[in-house]
Amino acid sequence: NAGVTQTPKFQVLKTGQSMTLQCAQDMNHNSMYWYRQDPGMGLRLIYYSASEGTTDKGEVPNGYNVSRLNKREFSLRLESAAPSQTSVYFCASSAGYEQYFGPGTRLTVT
Amino acid sequence: QKEVEQDPGPLSVPEGAIVSLNCTYSNSAFQYFMWYRQYSRKGPELLMYTYSSGNKEDGRFTAQVDKSSKYISLFIRDSQPSDSATYLCAMSASSNTGKLIFGQGTTLQVKP
Repeated sequence: NAGVTQTPKFQVLKTGQSMTLQCAQDMNHNSMYWYRQDPGMGLRLIYYSASEGTTDKGEVPNGYNVSRLNKREFSLRLESAAPSQTSVYFCASSAGYEQYFGPGTRLTVT
Repeated sequence: QKEVEQDPGPLSVPEGAIVSLNCTYSNSAFQYFMWYRQYSRKGPELLMYTYSSGNKEDGRFTAQVDKSSKYISLFIRDSQPSDSATYLCAMSASSNTGKLIFGQGTTLQVKP
């Protein structure tokens, strides 16, 4: 039982490049989330998916797109990366009030 | 003004001290309150969960919610070096916690 897994763990992009962050959970949870964490800002919700086939914007969705591929997988795409998107990205899943987080992806955009 | 305010610290205490961590909030609709613990370079983990006002105790940890003052606290008794981490408060207006609002996190160091 791996919980929530994220790939890659680290990534360096140049401004304008695109990439997809992958997330998968094996807990059969309906809800999945993408957050970014920046120093002094706490965790901010980018997008979430309450169930397979649905997605909704969070607090900071601009510059990102998501896909809920199936119940297990929820991906986050940066179409044209900007230095302001340098951050640590966390995926989470939940079946109730408790959210389970993955280990994070450290992204640097130069 | 942020919806949830939390002093980022850092907070440094000697082993065995009582630690008090606090958050204030502005949205009176919040009813679900959580504390997450995050070790360095790891994802957050749920530590305590409280619904509405009152106290909840779990071992060395006590969570308090004062909705009249829009103020929540986490107390750690007999603090240990293993408690060194960042503590994030989080809250929601709905039992569907899709939109948790997090504080900035307080970094705690417990020195042996």
